[in-house]
Amino acid sequence: DAGVIQSPRHEVTEMGQEVTLRCKPISGHNSLFWYRQTMMRGLELLIYFNNNVPIDDSGMPEDRFSAKMPNASFSTLKIQPSEPRDSAVYFCASSPDRRSLGSPLHFGNGTRLTVT
Amino acid sequence: GEDVEQSLFLSVREGDSSVINCTYTDSSSTYLYWYKQEPGAGLQLLTYIFSNMDMKQDQRLTVLLNKKDKHLSLRIADTQTGDSAIYFCAERRYYGQNFVFGPGTRLSVLP
Repeated sequence: DAGVIQSPRHEVTEMGQEVTLRCKPISGHNSLFWYRQTMMRGLELLIYFNNNVPIDDSGMPEDRFSAKMPNASFSTLKIQPSEPRDSAVYFCASSPDRRSLGSPLHFGNGTRLTVT
Repeated sequence: GEDVEQSLFLSVREGDSSVINCTYTDSSSTYLYWYKQEPGAGLQLLTYIFSNMDMKQDQRLTVLLNKKDKHLSLRIADTQTGDSAIYFCAERRYYGQNFVFGPGTRLSVLP
């Protein structure tokens, strides 16, 4: 079991540039979550998918943020254009079964994004 | 309120027990979780408890649940320097899919 795989681990970009973060969930998990972690706001849920369908995107901060899950093994989080206040660690997590409420989240190691 | 609450900091001496406390919000939450985050890493699941249980023990970890007060605690016996990390509690609410996390407790283990 390779765990949740995120790339890149670190991303440094200039304000105004497009940023794409990638996630490969654990095979067989049918729920996928994107979180953002900052010192000021802690861990925030941005969006989650179930069976590749976005279920709740109310945490997506602005239209500059978008997320896709084209298939069960891949998801992207895109920020366009990026701003310095988007600097944070972005985590992807997956869970095995929506109906089984005990199913815990399994986190990737995160992408540390710095926007200058 | 809507928030899961935790103390932000805890310091203990190596070999002592650590107790990290959490207050959650939704009495209908069915599962409660403890995660550990080491520097530069993601959140690692430590343990979780079903809401109809009072206690769960797993090696050095003991989870206590007081459902009436919506209070959850994590006890780490014989705390080691490798236990230094941020510990998050989380609840999974009965409705919907959302996991709600606390702000995390930074545990420092002093030699």
